[in-house]
Order: sequence, then C-alpha cells, then structure tokens
Amino acid sequence: GAGVSQSPRYKVAKRGQDVALRCDPISGHVSLFWYQQALGQGPEFLTYFQNEAQLDKSGLPSDRFFAERPEGSVSTLKIQRTQQEDSAVYLCASSLRGNGYTFGSGTRLTVV
Amino acid sequence: AQRVTQPEKLLSVFKGAPVELKCNYSYSGSPELFWYVQYSRQRLQLLLRHISRESIKGFTADLNKGETSFHLKTPFAQEEDSAMYYCALGDSNYQLIWGAGTKLIIKP
Repeated sequence: GAGVSQSPRYKVAKRGQDVALRCDPISGHVSLFWYQQALGQGPEFLTYFQNEAQLDKSGLPSDRFFAERPEGSVSTLKIQRTQQEDSAVYLCASSLRGNGYTFGSGTRLTVV
Repeated sequence: AQRVTQPEKLLSVFKGAPVELKCNYSYSGSPELFWYVQYSRQRLQLLLRHISRESIKGFTADLNKGETSFHLKTPFAQEEDSAMYYCALGDSNYQLIWGAGTKLIIKP
C-alpha cells in the first residue's frame, strides 16, 4: 500500500482482556518495528522484524506482550490480560533498509 | 550509554522569529541522526536526516560531533510549524533511540 496502515485506530479494553493490534507495512518493506508511546513521551522500542524473523524483542515489557509476522508482511501485536499501564499509543513503522522509517498512525489503547 | 536528550519540553515563539530546537546525543560510534515531526492528530514523519544534508520546510540541522549536538533550526517560524519534534539516533542497522520530544508552539 501507499503507507503503513494500523488498525484499529482506537481500542478500549477492560482490564484483563486480550487485544490484538494490526500493522500492514508498506509493500516490500523488509523491516518492521513496533513502538509504544506513552502520553508526553517519545516512542519506546518494543520489537523488530526482518521479514518473518523477529530479530529483537528486548523492548517487550512483559511476557503478556507477543508479536508475530508469519508471512513477512502483516504483523500483529498481541497483549494478553491487559493492565492499565498498557494504555498507550502503539506505533508500527516499516523500512526498506536501515533507519528510514515510515510510521503508521498508531493504535491508541485505553485499558479501563 | 546511548542517549538522546532534548532539554526543552516546550518552546513557544512568535511567528517570524528564529527557532532552535536542541538535541544532544551520547553515542560511541559514528551516529546517524534524524528529526521527526508529529503535527496534531497526524502520524510521526521524517523531517530530515543528517546524512542527506537537506533543508525541509525551511528547517536545517547540522551534526556537530565536537558538541555531540544535532540542533534543528529555522530562521522564520511559521504557524504551521507548531508540532512535536523528536530527535532520534540510529544506533545500529535498525534501531532508533528517541528523545522525549519538544513541543513547538508558534504564536500569531
């Protein structure tokens, strides 16, 4: 597609609920990144894929967070048993190579 | 430790005034630095990167390795420049380290 697409744009989850956030990167972009952005903060790295391989997941805050990119294109970030501290904007970015990221609009997750 | 510091959370200037958004970094290797901008209700987008040495929307940034700085400047601020500005450091072939951002408000 023309840009990085994320869905849903907004998600309200009850505490304890599981959520799945989708990222559709730019076609042909090998690298895909997930970031978490809390209110008033810069993006914090969560995880990185090169094609279908998850090369770095060091930023995932707990084992409740799981990301996958099974066919090397669309990626899903799953959060199990959501907690209030998970409330944030989740950003996806893709890149053809190196550091030239294109960001999606993000998914704003609110856990109530 | 690798770090990006944007010391100003908020910068407010009048339209037509010069603007300098400060960014300092800490990195042991050869850095690759970026400025990203996020306008209200829009996605993060790349404004400029130091290796391209270009001017985008009237903004420039020069990498000063001696002072480990990459300040963003424009000589004449426009109202449409109001946004969040993030400085970021590329520390490897894939990861960016981000500053906390500076909110720029241009007053009419």
